Amino acid sequence: DAGVTQSPTHLIKTRGQQVTLRCSPKSGHDTVSWYQQALGQGPQFIFQYYEEEERQRGNFPDRFSGHQFPNYSSELNVNALLLGDSALYLCASSSPGTGSLYGYTFGSGTRLTVV
Amino acid sequence: QKEVEQNSGPLSVPEGAIASLNCTYSDRGSQSFFWYRQYSGKSPELIMFIYSNGDKEDGRFTAQLNKASQYVSLLIRDSQPSDSATYLCAVHNTNAGKSTFGDGTTLTVKP
Repeated sequence: DAGVTQSPTHLIKTRGQQVTLRCSPKSGHDTVSWYQQALGQGPQFIFQYYEEEERQRGNFPDRFSGHQFPNYSSELNVNALLLGDSALYLCASSSPGTGSLYGYTFGSGTRLTVV
Repeated sequence: QKEVEQNSGPLSVPEGAIASLNCTYSDRGSQSFFWYRQYSGKSPELIMFIYSNGDKEDGRFTAQLNKASQYVSLLIRDSQPSDSATYLCAVHNTNAGKSTFGDGTTLTVKP
């Protein structure tokens, strides 16, 4: 049973560039949430996708956008990268119909460094 | 004030001792409460969840919830060096559709 798969694992980008991160949820999960975790801090909620729509959004600017595909996989796009966007980006999937009530399964994350 | 507060630590206990981790939260609409373990350089892993007042035990781990006091705790009995990690407390509000995390408590278990 495949867990949550994220790609790439590491990425270095220059300020002002754009980046796309990818996630495949755990088999049987249909809801994908994205979190940003800065060093020494807890994960911060970016947004959640369910049925190919953004259902909830955290306090992140419009530079952060996403998409969910019919196979439940998801992408996170960040435009006009800032140095402060350097962080570990985590994809979390959860069981259908539970509203994530029983917790997440996290992917291994994408470490983004903006220089 | 953060929505979920944890002692940042570090918390250091000897091998075999009980480690006690605490968390308070501000959203009274939260329905589920989680403890995730995060090893250095890795992603969080769910180890316990609780949604009713009282205690929930799973092996060496016991989660405790007091909704009136807005307090969640995690006890780790017979602590092992492999328990050394950062423990993240998270609270979930279904209406908001998200879990909110604390900044974690770093636990070190010394052999």
